[in-house]
Amino acid sequence: AQSVTQLGSHVSVSEGALVLLRCNYSSSVPPYLFWYVQYPNQGLQLLLKYTTGATLVKGINGFEAEFKKSETSFHLTKPSAHMSDAAEYFCAVSLDFGNEKLTFGTGTRLTIIP
Amino acid sequence: DAGVTQSPTHLIKTRGQQVTLRCSPKSGHDTVSWYQQALGQGPQFIFQYYEEEERQRGNFPDRFSGHQFPNYSSELNVNALLLGDSALYLCASSFLGGGADTQYFGPGTRLTVL
Repeated sequence: AQSVTQLGSHVSVSEGALVLLRCNYSSSVPPYLFWYVQYPNQGLQLLLKYTTGATLVKGINGFEAEFKKSETSFHLTKPSAHMSDAAEYFCAVSLDFGNEKLTFGTGTRLTIIP
Repeated sequence: DAGVTQSPTHLIKTRGQQVTLRCSPKSGHDTVSWYQQALGQGPQFIFQYYEEEERQRGNFPDRFSGHQFPNYSSELNVNALLLGDSALYLCASSFLGGGADTQYFGPGTRLTVL
């Protein structure tokens, strides 16, 4: 079975500061990892994914994440926060590429301080 | 392309009642998954439909059932509603074998059980 842990249910950063959202996973097989963003009253939007290959993956809106197998982590970063980044962020894991079932973490609410 | 659509947007029911939620997948997609997102939690996988049959199921009781129609649209039915069924219900569509990153989420139906 797989699981995802997101450290910090709420994170606040100043506009222009570094954004770091933490995600650790547990999986019995090499995982496929994802970050989604959810704006108020909207569904989930895929930010980025790790399947195979390069461990540093870039996504939309300037976000990137690094897969670290030794640390079982997939932390999300953005060098400079923008007000529009305020949202809920979810890390998720899938067992195999063809298995679309996703297991999500509990989410991190990101607040941007002007 | 309208993307994934869900109806209704909001729904209020009382305990013991039954509810049906609807989902139309993105054009070209043949697989529909349903997720339950309780307040302050990450989405949890309910089940997935492909070729009008339930392909996978999460840890949800039999009160939760579904259906997929020949045009790939889907319904989620919940019987004997409990207060704990209050949540945002998300529908996601994909094409089988395409991978979790091909999954598109709808805006959700917010169900309130009183």
